[in-house]
Amino acid sequence: KQEVTQIPAALSVPEGENLVLNCSFTDSAIYNLQWFRQDPGKGLTSLLLIQSSQREQTSGRLNASLDKSSGRSTLYIAASQPGDSATYLCAVYQTGANNLFFGTGTRLTVIP
Amino acid sequence: DAGVIQSPRHEVTEMGQEVTLRCKPISGHDYLFWYRQTMMRGLELLIYFNNNVPIDDSGMPEDRFSAKMPNASFSTLKIQPSEPRDSAVYFCASSFGGIDEQFFGPGTRLTVL
Repeated sequence: KQEVTQIPAALSVPEGENLVLNCSFTDSAIYNLQWFRQDPGKGLTSLLLIQSSQREQTSGRLNASLDKSSGRSTLYIAASQPGDSATYLCAVYQTGANNLFFGTGTRLTVIP
Repeated sequence: DAGVIQSPRHEVTEMGQEVTLRCKPISGHDYLFWYRQTMMRGLELLIYFNNNVPIDDSGMPEDRFSAKMPNASFSTLKIQPSEPRDSAVYFCASSFGGIDEQFFGPGTRLTVL
């Protein structure tokens, strides 16, 4: 069964700092990988989706990379802001199973 | 489009009562997913539909849980009878194409006393 791990579980950084969130998965047979953010008490907001054939995707200050062979993805956030504070979840879409497998998330706090 | 709509946003009920959660997917999306989120287990897929037909319900925890999708714009998740361990946040999500980007609703926070 696919297992998705996110390290660290929590991260605090001062405003303006660049940061990297990590996601690893055990089975490289995936269609795509999706990064979400979740604000307290709210639903999930899709940030970026990377197809299995792609190496990276960018949206504004966010850049996500994918190394399928090693089972890793990173989410790079440039010039962090207090509004970036949230829990970030990665999820992989497993080949052969129409199912998103979620990591447990990284709770990010950006300190003003 | 208003996005995925779920109701109610919060539900508090007593053990043994029937609970019905509702979802309206994004118009034009042909896949609908029900997830449950708890502190202990994170996000788990319960069931998903394609063109209103249930495809995989292997994540449904027990026979107490049932889901229906009578048409392309409405789905329900029912728990009967409810138990305290069912307390969680239940999310509905939809997508166009099974492997495409999923869009989530705001969730229903269920508390069973």
